[in-house]
Amino acid sequence: DSGVTQTPKHLITATGQRVTLRCSPRSGDLSVYWYQQSLDQGLQFLIQYYNGEERAKGNILERFSAQQFPDLHSELNLSSLELGDSALYFCASSALGSGGADTQYFGPGTRLTVL
Amino acid sequence: GIQVEQSPPDLILQEGANSTLRCNFSDSVNNLQWFHQNPWGQLINLFYIPSGTKQNGRLSATTVATERYSLLYISSSQTTDSGVYFCAGSQGNLIFGKGTKLSVKP
Repeated sequence: DSGVTQTPKHLITATGQRVTLRCSPRSGDLSVYWYQQSLDQGLQFLIQYYNGEERAKGNILERFSAQQFPDLHSELNLSSLELGDSALYFCASSALGSGGADTQYFGPGTRLTVL
Repeated sequence: GIQVEQSPPDLILQEGANSTLRCNFSDSVNNLQWFHQNPWGQLINLFYIPSGTKQNGRLSATTVATERYSLLYISSSQTTDSGVYFCAGSQGNLIFGKGTKLSVKP
């Protein structure tokens, strides 16, 4: 158990809908990262928050947004869903926001299926 | 951004065998991690190893930062070692390789 929690574990929805994925980092970690794992693109970094502020952006679509709340949990919002958004979404956390130079611990993931 | 290449892409072993997985980077990194993704999809941290050598039980890893590669050694493999092994490196945010899919047969 990494100490990072994600809910829900599974999500099935229809095209055009909007969903919210939730992540709680390990106790004491200030950085939260979101990743997408799909069959064709592999594991890709989406976005990082550090202590409530956006720190880095990766291959995140404009239809996707995230935020980190004062209690440090984070939410990833996916809207206008398309079939191609079906993937495993991971959240990770680390102690620092130091540009990747510390260990990231991954949650169990949320498997999103868009029908 | 950096490119991460892993080899081999697939590996089939008999239980008890040893193996070496390799990860090459196109540029220097300040973070290098190895992960095991089990058949249930969980990503499990194995090593944080931007340089040097570490060991944890039957697993060990070595990173030669000056030559931009890292190796993961699995000794006396067990069926529970099956899954996909990823390495990831970063200059800013983690870039993952495509993984090595390992199948250990009883």
